[in-house]
Amino acid sequence: DAGVTQSPTHLIKTRGQQVTLRCSPKSGHDTVSWYQQALGQGPQFIFQYYEEEERQRGNFPDRFSGHQFPNYSSELNVNALLLGDSALYLCASRPPRRGLNYGYTFGSGTRLTVV
Amino acid sequence: GEDVEQSLFLSVREGDSSVINCTYTDSSSTYLYWYKQEPGAGLQLLTYIFSNMDMKQDQRLTVLLNKKDKHLSLRIADTQTGDSAIYFCADHSDSSYKLIFGSGTRLLVRP
Repeated sequence: DAGVTQSPTHLIKTRGQQVTLRCSPKSGHDTVSWYQQALGQGPQFIFQYYEEEERQRGNFPDRFSGHQFPNYSSELNVNALLLGDSALYLCASRPPRRGLNYGYTFGSGTRLTVV
Repeated sequence: GEDVEQSLFLSVREGDSSVINCTYTDSSSTYLYWYKQEPGAGLQLLTYIFSNMDMKQDQRLTVLLNKKDKHLSLRIADTQTGDSAIYFCADHSDSSYKLIFGSGTRLLVRP
């Protein structure tokens, strides 16, 4: 059973460019969240998608946007990249109901470097 | 606002027990999680505890929750070198859809 898969694993972009990161949730999961983890820090919540809509958003500018598809996969888009956007971007998915395996499953992340 | 705090570093000898501590501020916390992150990797869910529980044991892991003091701890028995990693405490409440993470505790296990 594949867990959460993210692509690409690494990415280098130039300041001002745009980037799209992709996430496939774990089988059976319907909710997808995105987190940004700067070096040496804990992950910070960007937003969560459920039923193809943004359900909650963290303290991130509008340059950060996302999408969820009918198959529950998701994309994170960042426009007008800044050097400070360099980070590990983590996708997390969750099952629809609470149970013994309740909890967010994280992918291995996409390491974005902005130069 | 919501905040989660952890000590930054812990060093133990192989075979000893490790105790990693965490404090949180959210009174409406429903679930509290412990995640492990190895270098260059994502987050691995180790265990979680519901806010109406005091303790949860899962093999070598014991989680203690003091809801009055908003204090959470993770005890790892018989710590091994493979346990060396960064451990994150995370808080989740039903009034929000986000996890609030601490800054992580780096555990170093000495042979």
